[in-house]
Formats: sequence, C-alpha cells, structure tokens
Amino acid sequence: DQQVKQNSPSLSVQEGRISILNCDYTNSMFDYFLWYKKYPAEGPTFLISISSIKDKNEDGRFTVFLNKSAKHLSLHIVPSQPGDSAVYFCAASVEGAGNMLTFGGGTRLMVKP
Amino acid sequence: DTGVSQNPRHKITKRGQNVTFRCDPISEHNRLYWYRQTLGQGPEFLTYFQNEAQLEKSRLLSDRFSAERPKGSFSTLEIQRTEQGDSAMYLCASSLPLWSGYTFGSGTRLTVV
Repeated sequence: DQQVKQNSPSLSVQEGRISILNCDYTNSMFDYFLWYKKYPAEGPTFLISISSIKDKNEDGRFTVFLNKSAKHLSLHIVPSQPGDSAVYFCAASVEGAGNMLTFGGGTRLMVKP
Repeated sequence: DTGVSQNPRHKITKRGQNVTFRCDPISEHNRLYWYRQTLGQGPEFLTYFQNEAQLEKSRLLSDRFSAERPKGSFSTLEIQRTEQGDSAMYLCASSLPLWSGYTFGSGTRLTVV
C-alpha cells in the first residue's frame, strides 16, 4: 500500500514558465512534508518542507502548498530554469516517529530552454 | 566535513556473496538512516540509529541484512548471501534530532549478478 503517491512520472515545462508537481498521501497521521530533488548519480537533496499547521511555505522560486482535507500537496517552481531538471520526490513523516520518511515514487521534471 | 560520505560508490557482486557498505555521517548529526532505492521508485526506509542505538528496523530488512553503528559515528550495512533482488541504490542519510531534513549521501549502487 503506497502511502505517498506521485501520479505523474514525468513533466515537461518551458523555461520561464511554472512547474507544478503534485503529491497525494493516504495516511492522516502524516504531519510533516518535504520535497527532495535528485540529480543522476547523487543522493536526494532537501528542497523545502511544510508542517501540517501551515498551508503554504515559500522559499525563493519554490512554494509548497498543503491541502490537508484533500491529503494533497504540490510544489510550484516559478520561474522554471533548465537547472531545475531533475527527479523530484515528495516525502512525509509523523512527528515523533524518529524522522522516518515515506517517499513517493518521484516525478522527472524536464525544463526546456 | 563536507557531507555524508558513502563507500564504495559502486559494488558488483556474485549472487550468494556477502557485501558491506560504509556510511560516514555529518559529524554533529546523531541520527543516521539507511534507505534503499530501486529503479523508478522512491527511497524506502530500512533502519535508523540514534547514536549507537538502532531504534527502528523496517520489515524490508530481512535476516540477511544487518546494520551497525558501533561508536555512534560511522555505520555499516551488511548483506549476507546476496540475491539478485538486492540490486539497488543504498542511501545513507543523517540528521539532527531537531527536525531540519536529512542530508543524504550519494549512495552505493549494488549490482548482484
């Protein structure tokens, strides 16, 4: 049973436009959510996170939105740059559970110049 | 201290052989995690340590897998009697107890032939 799902395996966006990556979860106990970016042959790199007490968190070009009632979160990248091309993973955790993360399957973002 | 270091980067082994991977976390991080990632999937939690204590093990971690962190610094992950299904990227990560996201290493890619 996949508790965190990223239903779009890939996304292609033109440089300068908005990239929207989506993630759904089923476990209502999750209360902290993160996005990681992964380049080939490297480990995932932490990008941005959001606590369940918030519905939005912004860091530069990256904004994460959380809709708890829908058990849905999204990552917006504006404007998209070719260097953003990577695989993006969303992850979720339960506070007090040792910071163990449950990851989605990833979405490959391609930003075309 | 530039990050989480994993060795070796690549390992090819014959089925039935034992393999051992090493992870050196960020020195001030007392939590250390092992994850496994197969092609097209997100990382899956295997186990984690707080200092030298192994606090949680996933059901994915069969009896052939063992992890240690003897002095609360580096950690080793050993797989005995490797099987082709063990072929994957093994990722190590570390963090502080106060939640701020993991720092992942670049991983060890295991290929069992």
